[in-house]
Amino acid sequence: RKEVEQDPGPFNVPEGATVAFNCTYSNSASQSFFWYRQDCRKEPKLLMSVYSSGNEDGRFTAQLNRASQYISLLIRDSKLSDSATYLCVVPNQAGTALIFGKGTTLSVSS
Amino acid sequence: DTEVTQTPKHLVMGMTNKKSLKCEQHMGHRAMYWYKQKAKKPPELMFVYSYEKLSINESVPSRFSPECPNSSLLNLHLHALQPEDSALYLCASSQALSGIDTQYFGPGTRLTVL
Repeated sequence: RKEVEQDPGPFNVPEGATVAFNCTYSNSASQSFFWYRQDCRKEPKLLMSVYSSGNEDGRFTAQLNRASQYISLLIRDSKLSDSATYLCVVPNQAGTALIFGKGTTLSVSS
Repeated sequence: DTEVTQTPKHLVMGMTNKKSLKCEQHMGHRAMYWYKQKAKKPPELMFVYSYEKLSINESVPSRFSPECPNSSLLNLHLHALQPEDSALYLCASSQALSGIDTQYFGPGTRLTVL
């Protein structure tokens, strides 16, 4: 299994849709996981941290499944402004640093 | 205030030039990072400094030379770069020293090597 692997994009959804991204990881000892959002030609910005089973912030929900070693990001009621690349970030196999997934591109249209 | 600043925003340099990228954070974070990001790729870790000491070097070529003058500043010295080194260079910082902690990114320096 790769250290981190994300759903291939792009995801093209209409406004108001619910969309979910998955991300698998290989380090079974990992305790901390992150979702970052990156807009075109901008820096990554933290969207959510996941330390236990999951986390929720408004329209965004992140869930962790340790048994299957994946995390997911659910976006409800999509807005045009949600259009971006979503990066799954997990500890590397050695547990010494974070490694970024290739990203999933979301495009929300009106 | 979760702010990491980077200068310059853009840099164009020839293969024989020497230049430096600068990064600053005033959040009291103890770890600082350099990443390289090519177009349509994720950020790739280059270096990690913990308490001003280099703790991780991801086999980066010696034409990239990091420096951490103090806990708030991080530099990346560039010399004899190649055109394939053109990329967005991102600096980040985090509170924890473990490297497995929320990282806050600066806006990046977009480097073009001619």
